[in-house]
Amino acid sequence: GNSVTQMEGPVTLSEEAFLTINCTYTATGYPSLFWYVQYPGEGLQLLLKATKADDKGSNKGFEATYRKETTSFHLEKGSVQVSDSAVYFCALSLQGAQKLVFGQGTRLTINP
Amino acid sequence: DAGVIQSPRHEVTEMGQEVTLRCKPISGHDYLFWYRQTMMRGLELLIYFNNNVPIDDSGMPEDRFSAKMPNASFSTLKIQPSEPRDSAVYFCASSLLLLNTDTQYFGPGTRLTVL
Repeated sequence: GNSVTQMEGPVTLSEEAFLTINCTYTATGYPSLFWYVQYPGEGLQLLLKATKADDKGSNKGFEATYRKETTSFHLEKGSVQVSDSAVYFCALSLQGAQKLVFGQGTRLTINP
Repeated sequence: DAGVIQSPRHEVTEMGQEVTLRCKPISGHDYLFWYRQTMMRGLELLIYFNNNVPIDDSGMPEDRFSAKMPNASFSTLKIQPSEPRDSAVYFCASSLLLLNTDTQYFGPGTRLTVL
């Protein structure tokens, strides 16, 4: 089946540290890949996406590259801020399939 | 645009009571999704609609759950009777098209507590 696996949290870092949140997927076709972010008390919002192999999605200093050979879409940021504290969800969707499949989410806390 | 609007934001009820959650999608969006989020099961898709018609309700947990979309600007998710295990945050999301590259826009959620 189709599934997404994220690194387990919670993840706690100091401000300005380098961030990596791992995400790997299993899919029967050629998925599009997404990172959504959920700030405290809010709904999910799209952070970035990539629709084909080797594409790089980027937004707000975050980046993720679609790696077909390793079936991965790891999220990175070079220097995190306290305001980046949130839960991050990796997700996929398949051509012709009308829904997103989410990972379990990774809670990130940034300390000043 | 105001985004996806959900009401109420918080609901506390007693076991056995009927609960109705409401959603107003972004104007012009023709897909609407209902999700449930719990610590144990993460984020689950319950049902989605296209042009007000239910397309896939395979995620609806049981017959106590029902969802309707009487028009393009309103949807409800009803639980009758409610049980403590239904306690969760329920999200509504909408999108304009549903190619697999399209963005879903989420509402702020309704936190449901069933005592």
